[in-house]
Amino acid sequence: NAGVMQNPRHLVRRRGQEARLRCSPMKGHSHVYWYRQLPEEGLKFMVYLQKENIIDESGMPKERFSAEFPKEGPSILRIQQVVRGDSAAYFCASSPPGDTRLEAFFGQGTRLTVV
Amino acid sequence: AQSVTQPDIHITVSEGASLELRCNYSYGATPYLFWYVQSPGQGLQLLLKYFSGDTLVQGIKGFEAEFKRSQSSFNLRKPSVHWSDAAEYFCAVGANTNAGKSTFGDGTTLTVKP
Repeated sequence: NAGVMQNPRHLVRRRGQEARLRCSPMKGHSHVYWYRQLPEEGLKFMVYLQKENIIDESGMPKERFSAEFPKEGPSILRIQQVVRGDSAAYFCASSPPGDTRLEAFFGQGTRLTVV
Repeated sequence: AQSVTQPDIHITVSEGASLELRCNYSYGATPYLFWYVQSPGQGLQLLLKYFSGDTLVQGIKGFEAEFKRSQSSFNLRKPSVHWSDAAEYFCAVGANTNAGKSTFGDGTTLTVKP
């Protein structure tokens, strides 16, 4: 059973371009969470999704950021018109259906560099 | 709102010495508490977790943590540190309805001297 898979592991974008980060949850998991880790800081919650639904996006910046978790395929975090301040590591976590009180499992992250 | 404080930004210990990393949390209800380790350029690995029951929790790699409700603390300990333990350590608190939506501390970087 593969773990949470994120790709790409590293992504370089020029200012103004779009960044697409993908997350495939563990098999059988239906809850996905995205976190951002700025340099020298801890992880900050961004958004919580279930299949085809955004459940909690209280940590998402109001502009340029969006997330989806379609019925088929990976969850996508999209950042439009990237700026230097978007440079960070973005982590995805997943948890199984049912009891969301159980732990979530993290992927290895995508490190975004905006040049 | 929940919060986590890791008072020590950086700790240096000698190999073979004991280790304690501090974590204080703020949460209104019974918290779900986690310790993660992150090696440079890597993802997060769960060391241990506390949901309920015995307040002394054993984890992987010889780590343990003790939940003290009266002190709102969940300190991580290891009796004898190995050079491979050098990494960044994060304490996190999860809501009792959704552990996946966790609040993380800013981390403690551990350096191990030979």
